[in-house]
Amino acid sequence: GQNIDQPTEMTATEGAIVQINCTYQTSGFNGLFWYQQHAGEAPTFLSYNVLDGLEEKGRFSSFLSRSKGYSYLLLKELQMKDSASYLCAVRDVNYGQNFVFGPGTRLSVLP
Amino acid sequence: SQTIHQWPATLVQPVGSPLSLECTVEGTSNPNLYWYRQAAGRGLQLLFYSVGIGQISSEVPQNLSASRPQDRQFILSSKKLLLSDSGFYLCAWRRGGNYNEQFFGPGTRLTVL
Repeated sequence: GQNIDQPTEMTATEGAIVQINCTYQTSGFNGLFWYQQHAGEAPTFLSYNVLDGLEEKGRFSSFLSRSKGYSYLLLKELQMKDSASYLCAVRDVNYGQNFVFGPGTRLSVLP
Repeated sequence: SQTIHQWPATLVQPVGSPLSLECTVEGTSNPNLYWYRQAAGRGLQLLFYSVGIGQISSEVPQNLSASRPQDRQFILSSKKLLLSDSGFYLCAWRRGGNYNEQFFGPGTRLTVL
């Protein structure tokens, strides 16, 4: 089976940097995705990692270590609008190439 | 460009009533289609997926069913709703093959009373 863990909640201050961790266990890893979901809205795609290392996209970066089953999402220069849930998802070839989502991390950005 | 629509946006239904949620995708052909449910404060649970017309795979046994009568149309149904069916239902699509992201529709908030 698959298992994905993330912290339930995090709090950070506007302008700061926050790192959201994700650990996973899956038999047929084929990519890790991060989505942002504001309350009551649909998730929107943030980043994708399939090889080890760091992917940078503006204020957001995502890191992957396949040997450790570990990823993190790094948010820099936090803004109030970054308050949202952040979902880690793994695509599994042994699961029909479907995504398995973690429970999400609710981030609150305070002024 | 591609767009994905869901309706209704919100729905309040009594226990035991039927359900039909619709999802349509525009601007692409032969997409993989997905139905997810998100209970309050919880992660996304994959309910059904489809790789083509009439092809439905169920991930979680329950009183829900799905159908794909047309290439870009995906329908989630139930004959008799349960209280536990309440949640946020999200439809998503992904290009077939090795394309990566899933794109989500705006969702339907279902409350079963």
